[in-house]
Amino acid sequence: GQNIDQPTEMTATEGAIVQINCTYQTSGFNGLFWYQQHAGEAPTFLSYNVLDGLEEKGRFSSFLSRSKGYSYLLLKELQMKDSASYLCAVRGSNDYKLSFGAGTTVTVRA
Amino acid sequence: DGGITQSPKYLFRKEGQNVTLSCEQNLNHDAMYWYRQDPGQGLRLIYYSQIVNDFQKGDIAEGYSVSREKKESFPLTVTSAQKNPTAFYLCASSSIWGGLAGDGVHEQYFGPGTRLTVT
Repeated sequence: GQNIDQPTEMTATEGAIVQINCTYQTSGFNGLFWYQQHAGEAPTFLSYNVLDGLEEKGRFSSFLSRSKGYSYLLLKELQMKDSASYLCAVRGSNDYKLSFGAGTTVTVRA
Repeated sequence: DGGITQSPKYLFRKEGQNVTLSCEQNLNHDAMYWYRQDPGQGLRLIYYSQIVNDFQKGDIAEGYSVSREKKESFPLTVTSAQKNPTAFYLCASSSIWGGLAGDGVHEQYFGPGTRLTVT
């Protein structure tokens, strides 16, 4: 089975940094994805990690440690538009299916 | 413009009725997926298909049915057997070209969703 855990909610101030952690226990591993989802909208792809280390994409970075079953998404220079739910998803080793965590709702305050 | 469309955005049905949700993509993706999202829960996989005329059950397939007669289309029917059908339904697609080895990301692209309310 798949077990993916992430915090339910986080609040931060505009311009600050927030780190969203994700831990997983899955049967097989072939990549970890982060998606952003604004309320009532479709999730949009943010990042992908399959090897250990940090991937940076502008204000967003994602880190993976496969031995620890751990990832984080780092959001820098927070903007009001970053208020959204952030979904951690893991792909198993044998197919293209994703297993999703429950999502972390980030609220950015002025 | 390439993308995934779902229709309608909002759907209301009476209990006991079957309802079909549409999903179309013009991204030339082989794989398509249906998810259900409930408040406070992650996306849960209902069905997926990696090739025309073939599909597999996901984690919560009971009370749902699908077909994949064309590469572009993957409709989902919510049957009267589904005990708790009110939810936000998301369709997604991805490429599978090149397989899982190598650096193929194969991220899933999502449609705008259909919010189904059954009373």
